[in-house]
Amino acid sequence: EIAMTQSPATLSVSPGERATLSCRASQSVSSNLAWYQQKPGQAPRLLIYGASTRATGIPARFSGSGSGTEFTLTISSLQSEDFAVYYCQQYNDWPKYTFGQGTKLEIK
Amino acid sequence: QITLKESGPTLVKPTQTLTLTCTFSGFSLRTNGVGVGWVRQPPGKALQWLVLIYWDDDERYSPSLKSRLTITKDTSKNQVVLTMTNMDPVDTATYYCVHRNSGGLLDYWGQGTLVTVSS
Repeated sequence: EIAMTQSPATLSVSPGERATLSCRASQSVSSNLAWYQQKPGQAPRLLIYGASTRATGIPARFSGSGSGTEFTLTISSLQSEDFAVYYCQQYNDWPKYTFGQGTKLEIK
Repeated sequence: QITLKESGPTLVKPTQTLTLTCTFSGFSLRTNGVGVGWVRQPPGKALQWLVLIYWDDDERYSPSLKSRLTITKDTSKNQVVLTMTNMDPVDTATYYCVHRNSGGLLDYWGQGTLVTVSS
């Protein structure tokens, strides 16, 4: 099973600043990597797929990069609604989908 | 517009069997490549994929839970049913129904249903 490791566990950033979240796979997942945003009491929402493609309706301030085993989600200028938990997920080894442990993005 | 909604008990006793139903709209489970599955999330913890059923009746299970899970579909009713046997308090979680697109992506999620396992 492919293990996904996210860092940091918690990230404190001020509104308007840039946030960079990392995700590492235990073996190559090519570009089959997705990012989800989850707010309290809500289901995860798909943000990025194919490592770098924004899902429908996702603002341009969200961007993804990477391939193989190292991936990054960048939020260029944090808005109040962006503070949430973010999960990476590989779907290269489907259907054995695996998720990272999440990064909580909190207001500094 | 794709929507999925979970229904079922909110409380089950240890050793009992959990049955959850996912009712969906906006797509057909007859479409090539499409699937419906379940993902769960214990309170305050990460997401865990459980099972998927595909348009062609293929079923795929998480290896760690395979012996306890069964998934079925009723295409005419647009429903998928998850059964999990021998429930334990560690199975307390929010259970999400998810749509799997032809590219392998879990792109639409239901609102989730919290299931508590307690005597």
